[in-house]
Amino acid sequence: EVQLVESGGGLIQPGGSLKLSCAASGFSVTDFYTSWVRQAPEKGLEWVSVIYVGGTTYYADSVKGRFTISRDNSKNTVYLQMSNLRVDDTAVYYCARVPRSHWHHDLWGRGTLVSVSS
Amino acid sequence: QSVLTQPPSVSGAPGQRVTISCTGSNSDIGAGLDVNWYQQLPGTAPKLVIYGNNKRPSGVPDRFSGSRSGTSASLAITGLQAEDEADYYCQSYDSILIGYVFGTGTKVTVL
Repeated sequence: EVQLVESGGGLIQPGGSLKLSCAASGFSVTDFYTSWVRQAPEKGLEWVSVIYVGGTTYYADSVKGRFTISRDNSKNTVYLQMSNLRVDDTAVYYCARVPRSHWHHDLWGRGTLVSVSS
Repeated sequence: QSVLTQPPSVSGAPGQRVTISCTGSNSDIGAGLDVNWYQQLPGTAPKLVIYGNNKRPSGVPDRFSGSRSGTSASLAITGLQAEDEADYYCQSYDSILIGYVFGTGTKVTVL
């Protein structure tokens, strides 16, 4: 089955770190771009980061310098390392697939909840 | 990060036609970059319903259609059904900020 499964969310104190995982099955993550998109409670979608096929990465200004996206081809998994977390990072984090040379997210995971609170 | 502007809500009776607007800028939609649309049912992940401005993924009913003009785009739902009640988001790419941008979201209510 073609799917993405996120894991690693949880409750963390402000200033802490957390690493999210996005495991792909049914396709290779090296054949697609992978984005992380988040949604704060009762809010809209916010793009966070993307890793391209060649390994180039980009970030939203709100997370630049604090979050790092990476990929383990042998595990067919994409990661989001989050550091210096803030209360306003609280959200459901989705990973999503982008077909090469396109701009749309055609496959989404179910998401993992990150709660930043003291 | 720039955000695309959508109306907070639209509504219509079953069978009617509703449209959702999405307004961007010269660095995203106005730069000729594709607009995509997602449907999000309560408690679920977003689902792609329109890509490349006006293309429907396999399995999406032809009641859904998209268009783009200048710095704006729109999603139309004809023959509105109860199952269409959801939040809808447009999305494009910002060529200056080098990143994807989402719309503010529109809640569609079926009366």
